[in-house]
Parts: sequence; structure tokens; C-alpha cells
Amino acid sequence: GQNIDQPTEMTATEGAIVQINCTYQTSGFNGLFWYQQHAGEAPTFLSYNVLDGLEEKGRFSSFLSRSKGYSYLLLKELQMKDSASYLCAVRDGDYKLSFGAGTTVTVRA
Amino acid sequence: DVKVTQSSRYLVKRTGEKVFLECVQDMDHENMFWYRQDPGLGLRLIYFSYDVKMKEKGDIPEGYSVSREKKERFSLILESASTNQTSMYLCASSYPPDSSYEQYFGPGTRLTVT
Repeated sequence: GQNIDQPTEMTATEGAIVQINCTYQTSGFNGLFWYQQHAGEAPTFLSYNVLDGLEEKGRFSSFLSRSKGYSYLLLKELQMKDSASYLCAVRDGDYKLSFGAGTTVTVRA
Repeated sequence: DVKVTQSSRYLVKRTGEKVFLECVQDMDHENMFWYRQDPGLGLRLIYFSYDVKMKEKGDIPEGYSVSREKKERFSLILESASTNQTSMYLCASSYPPDSSYEQYFGPGTRLTVT
């Protein structure tokens, strides 16, 4: 089976940096995705990594190490609107995504 | 602007009822997916379809079936609803398997079975 682990909750202060880790053990690997999901809303795409290294997109960056089965999502200059759940997902074949349980980030003033 | 819509945001059904959840996408996507989302368990794949009339079981297909008669529409069917099917149901769609293509999600249907 697929095993994707991420912390359940994290809290940080407005303006700070938070790093959300994701470790995975899957039968195959064809890319790793991060999604953001605000309460009561649909998940929305944040980032995609298929090669090792760092992908930067504005205040958000995502890192991948395939040999370690490890990724992180870095949120910089935190804003109140960043309070949400962040979902790590691995594509292990052509179509399917396997998701972690999600990390709820709370940003405090 | 990409759009995935689901027929209901909230639904309350009784045990034993047959339930239909509808999903429509306007992006001409080949692939469509049905997930359920439960606290502490994340999103779990129920069924997916990679073409019209084609379907494959996901990780938790028991108690569910699907129908895809047209490319833009993917229906999830609960043949006989049970209380353990109370959940948030999310539909998603994506392009063919170019690995960089993300899935686009609908707003979800919160189903309560009493």
C-alpha cells in the first residue's frame, strides 16, 4: 500500500516561515503535488515536483528528494489567509494520486 | 477559467436509499475521479475514469459504483446508502497522463446518511 505522512497541525505567527514535511513510501513515483485547502472549499494546486531540488513560486517553495522519499513545502512571509490545510500527494502511476491526511496550518497575528 | 461543478453542496439521505452524486467539468479533460475526505484520513480514491465508459476501482470502491456516459460528466452512485458513507465527496478532473498536469477539484458534496 501507499504510505504518505505529514504532521497533523502546525501553528506560526504572521510574517514568519513554516515548513511542512512530507515523507512517502509508494509502489511507484511519477511526481509529488502540494495542494491548499481552505475550510469548506475545494483543494487547489500549489506546486509540483518530479525531479530532485527546489521549486519556487512566489512565497511558496517545494523541495523533493526522491532517494529519501521526502518533500517539504515552505511558506514564507505568512499571511492570515494562509491558514488552511496543506495536502501532500504522490502520483504513483499514470493517473492516481495518493494523498496524505493533510497538515492544518494556523497563522496567528 | 477551469471549472468542476458538483450537483449539491449538502445532501441528507436515509439508510438504504440510492444516492446519485453528479460531477461536470468543462475543460474537456480525459480523466475524472471521485474521492471521499474524512478527518484524519485525507482524500481516498473511490473510482476513476480515463475515458468515456471506462472506469477503474480506486482504493475504497466497496458500496459505490460509477457511470461515465459523456466525457464531461462522471456520476458516483451509492447503491444502498449506509451511515458509514457519511462523508465529504470530492470530484476531480485532469488531462491525460502528462505527469505535470494537476487535478482540478469541485467544491465537494457533504453527504449525511441518517
